[in-house]
Amino acid sequence: ETGVTQTPRHLVMGMTNKKSLKCEQHLGHNAMYWYKQSAKKPLELMFVYNFKEQTENNSVPSRFSPECPNSSHLFLHLHTLQPEDSALYLCASSQGTSPSYEQYFGPGTRLTVT
Amino acid sequence: GQNIDQPTEMTATEGAIVQINCTYQTSGFNGLFWYQQHAGEAPTFLSYNVLDGLEEKGRFSSFLSRSKGYSYLLLKELQMKDSASYLCAVRENYGQNFVFGPGTRLSVLP
Repeated sequence: ETGVTQTPRHLVMGMTNKKSLKCEQHLGHNAMYWYKQSAKKPLELMFVYNFKEQTENNSVPSRFSPECPNSSHLFLHLHTLQPEDSALYLCASSQGTSPSYEQYFGPGTRLTVT
Repeated sequence: GQNIDQPTEMTATEGAIVQINCTYQTSGFNGLFWYQQHAGEAPTFLSYNVLDGLEEKGRFSSFLSRSKGYSYLLLKELQMKDSASYLCAVRENYGQNFVFGPGTRLSVLP
């Protein structure tokens, strides 16, 4: 238990569906992250939020829409996804975005797009 | 461009020592992290290096050479529970971008 929770843990959705992934951290951190982990590919950083403000968007397609209402909660809204978007989506948090702060990861949401 | 290389798989025996190497070429450098990820679980933090040299933490040590773009993770007195993937990640200079390597899957055999 890392203090970062994610729901749902598993999600199957069609290409025309709209769904949201939720992440909550109980560590009092100020920075939150979304990562994508596909089979046989490195972990890919998608978005970074620091004090609720988005500070990084790594050329992620617009069918992924993040939302950070406060420093403890992070959402990833999904719509019109493609089968290649099937992956493990990991949320992480850190005390801040200074270089030395390590990230604490949630257990991830296993997403399958059919 | 961004490029981080690690061996794909390694095998070692319980009680032995293993060294997992990581080489990187990134847009700037602001620290290197090692994470452990057991199958089906979240990555967990192991170590952070920003200056050259060796950082020791119990059975795990991590080394960095910035001039060579090289790091290694050293695991001593291997235990079965050390079977996992080990991820090398570099924090770049600008923004908050982390670049992860492909990970090294370590199998510890009895």
